[in-house]
Amino acid sequence: QQQVKQSPQSLIVQKGGISIINCAYENTAFDYFPWYQQFPGKGPALLIAIRPDVSEKKEGRFTISFNKSAKQFSLHIMDSQPGDSATYFCAASIIDYKLSFGAGTTVTVRA
Amino acid sequence: DARVTQTPRHKVTEMGQEVTMRCQPILGHNTVFWYRQTMMQGLELLAYFRNRAPLDDSGMPKDRFSAEMPDATLATLKIQPSEPRDSAVYFCASGNRQGSWPQHFGDGTRLSIL
Repeated sequence: QQQVKQSPQSLIVQKGGISIINCAYENTAFDYFPWYQQFPGKGPALLIAIRPDVSEKKEGRFTISFNKSAKQFSLHIMDSQPGDSATYFCAASIIDYKLSFGAGTTVTVRA
Repeated sequence: DARVTQTPRHKVTEMGQEVTMRCQPILGHNTVFWYRQTMMQGLELLAYFRNRAPLDDSGMPKDRFSAEMPDATLATLKIQPSEPRDSAVYFCASGNRQGSWPQHFGDGTRLSIL
């Protein structure tokens, strides 16, 4: 069964807009929550990650918001650019390093 | 810039043939993962190794798939015999269980079984 549920499956945003992707998990033992970005023909690349002891982490235009009580976390892409068009995966793991991935969200940024 | 290298990048073969995919992890990384990506199932973990020892291969069909690490610079994934349902992109990733311990992915082997 999928341990991390991701939504939406796809989204379209105008250049300069905000993209929001949501993930939910059940296993309270998870202690590492990364987001990966994947372009066609390439492997996933780590974008940003968060631990459950913080509620928000920002790197440039990318922000993770984490709600431990709700067992949810989300990725916000601010000022979306055409180069951000890619598939984004959330993931979660416990200390043994085995990642469980969400199903992915295809983001299309229209110029 | 250190990278995970996978070969071949593309492989087309007929059903029943043996397929071997290779991965060179980033030097110094002690953990290697094999994933399979399909439209239907997304990213699935097949197996992973730490310090060359298999830790978990529960995601791998045991009757036809095998994964090994002959040495610290080479991981292999074999399928014998191959079937059309094995068609997918296979990714290798490596990491080091220290610090922020991200996984670094290769660009995958796109496998087509006819």
